[in-house]
Amino acid sequence: EAQVTQNPRYLITVTGKKLTVTCSQNMNHEYMSWYRQDPGLGLRQIYYSMNVEVTDKGDVPEGYKVSRKEKRNFPLILESPSPNQTSLYFCASSYGGANVLTFGAGSRLTVL
Amino acid sequence: KNQVEQSPQSLIILEGKNCTLQCNYTVSPFSNLRWYKQDTGRGPVSLTIMTFSENTKSNGRYTATLDADTKQSSLHITASQLSDSASYICVVSGGTSYGKLTFGQGTILTVHP
Repeated sequence: EAQVTQNPRYLITVTGKKLTVTCSQNMNHEYMSWYRQDPGLGLRQIYYSMNVEVTDKGDVPEGYKVSRKEKRNFPLILESPSPNQTSLYFCASSYGGANVLTFGAGSRLTVL
Repeated sequence: KNQVEQSPQSLIILEGKNCTLQCNYTVSPFSNLRWYKQDTGRGPVSLTIMTFSENTKSNGRYTATLDADTKQSSLHITASQLSDSASYICVVSGGTSYGKLTFGQGTILTVHP
């Protein structure tokens, strides 16, 4: 089944403890991206990648890192999480550049 | 600053009725515009994607229109069903890179029996 898989789906952590949210797609998509969704603010793009080894900042990249060493994986790294990064995170991928996106199921992160 | 504004913020309609959601954007240069449906707690699902040259696109009971001159789009839902209750999000690609996406805040649609 074609899908985007995120892990973990739920995570509670503490301020400053590094964490990684993984994202993997099995559709051989070139484009992958990360978003956060907060009440009243909607979805906002954190980072995106047009292809392997190519990443660019979205609207809210501060406090996040990404890497694209393989086509299928696009992990989101929070080096030193803070409470304002408590949010619902989505990973998505598409064929070509930012065409019809397939979203993952979401990862709900709480930073205490 | 690139922005996407959606209206109304929320809408309640009766099952079987039609409705229209609006999206205005200031993203430039423009690449494409998409409409997504998001059920509570789940990832968005694509309804339509439209490029500069497309004025209308349909997907079942969903019809999207695009006026690239006025930078406006609408999503018309015909004969609404209870399962249409969701958030509808307008997304515009463009600006500094066509990989960069700007999202509207969404319109929350509630369909009552």
